[in-house]
Amino acid sequence: EDQVTQSPEALRLQEGESSSLNCSYTVSGLRGLFWYRQDPGKGPEFLFTLYSAGEEKEKERLKATLTKKESFLHITAPKPEDSATYLCAVKGQGAQKLVFGQGTRLTINP
Amino acid sequence: EAGVVQSPRYKIIEKKQPVAFWCNPISGHNTLYWYLQNLGQGPELLIRYENEEAVDDSQLPKDRFSAERLKGVDSTLKIQPAELGDSAVYLCASSQRDKNTEAFFGQGTRLTVV
Repeated sequence: EDQVTQSPEALRLQEGESSSLNCSYTVSGLRGLFWYRQDPGKGPEFLFTLYSAGEEKEKERLKATLTKKESFLHITAPKPEDSATYLCAVKGQGAQKLVFGQGTRLTINP
Repeated sequence: EAGVVQSPRYKIIEKKQPVAFWCNPISGHNTLYWYLQNLGQGPELLIRYENEEAVDDSQLPKDRFSAERLKGVDSTLKIQPAELGDSAVYLCASSQRDKNTEAFFGQGTRLTVV
């Protein structure tokens, strides 16, 4: 069964303090790894899709990387508006459903 | 392009009452998902549709939950009767079929059962 574990559960940073969020996964044949951002009271907002080990994607202050066992979401010089819960999900061979981790709640203090 | 639309945004009902949620997916998206999200947790799949066919409903509590997707577009998720433990956010998402592409989510319906 596909599984996703995210760490840490919560992370508090000062504005400008770079860090990384981790997503560890087990899946039978990765078809895609997805990062979402979720603000309170809203649905998840799509950020990135990664398909194979070594792949990287960037968007503003965010950079997602992928290995055969985990993915990292690197946040460079974050701003308070980057505060949100970041969700990681995988889609495995033979399954079209997204399996989510529990998320990392990120808080950026000004 | 319009995103996934869900209604209502909020619903408060008494236990044992019925409730229904509605979802309109992104135009052209054949795959539709209903997810359940408890506070502080990631979304969990309830049911997945390919066009009008439910292809994965293994996590749907069929004694009280039902869903339909008439004409392969809009979908309705129903709970009857609701229990206190059903209080959660119900998310609808859609994606293109047969592609390893991302799913796009609606804003969700927050259900409170009292």
